Amino acid sequence: AQKITQTQPGMFVQEKEAVTLDCTYDTSDQSYGLFWYKQPSSGEMIFLIYQGSYDEQNATEGRYSLNFQKARKSANLVISASQLGDSAMYFCAMREGNTGKLIFGQGTTLQVKP
Amino acid sequence: KAGVTQTPRYLIKTRGQQVTLSCSPISGHRSVSWYQQTPGQGLQFLFEYFSETQRNKGNFPGRFSGRQFSNSRSEMNVSTLELGDSALYLCASSLDRAGGAFFGQGTRLTVV
Repeated sequence: AQKITQTQPGMFVQEKEAVTLDCTYDTSDQSYGLFWYKQPSSGEMIFLIYQGSYDEQNATEGRYSLNFQKARKSANLVISASQLGDSAMYFCAMREGNTGKLIFGQGTTLQVKP
Repeated sequence: KAGVTQTPRYLIKTRGQQVTLSCSPISGHRSVSWYQQTPGQGLQFLFEYFSETQRNKGNFPGRFSGRQFSNSRSEMNVSTLELGDSALYLCASSLDRAGGAFFGQGTRLTVV
């Protein structure tokens, strides 16, 4: 069965430092997509970054990068130079190749300290 | 380009009532998926519509239904509301099954 595991329920990071949020996945599909979303307390699910299973380069979007290790089935999110506004819940998700359905992990709450 | 719009943002309903939620996807996107988010169960897939057809359905009772119109706007209906239906309902807009999936702000439903 498809599954996303986020083992860190909560994380703290000092402002301006980098932080890595862990995500491992389980799938037998050859084609799939991996996403990271940010959900502030308002509830909106904000798209951060996407990595396709056939992409050889790690995805980057501004301060966000995805450390994709296919053999280990991991897709960790790296946030560089953390800002106070980065405090939120972060979800890793996998898109099933044949259905398009998103499967989410349980999320990691990130708190950035001034 | 306008993002995904969900209305209303907040709803309070009584047990036994029914409710309809709306989602307008990003212009040009033909796929709309719905998810339920609760503290206990996390994010769970409800169903997906593409070009007015339901392509996939999650493991939810028949009280949960939806439809998609020719302009790709989608509605989700929950009949005979139960307390456990209280949740944040999110819709996601995509071109198709691959690529980006972009969410609206969600509708927070409270059943009392």
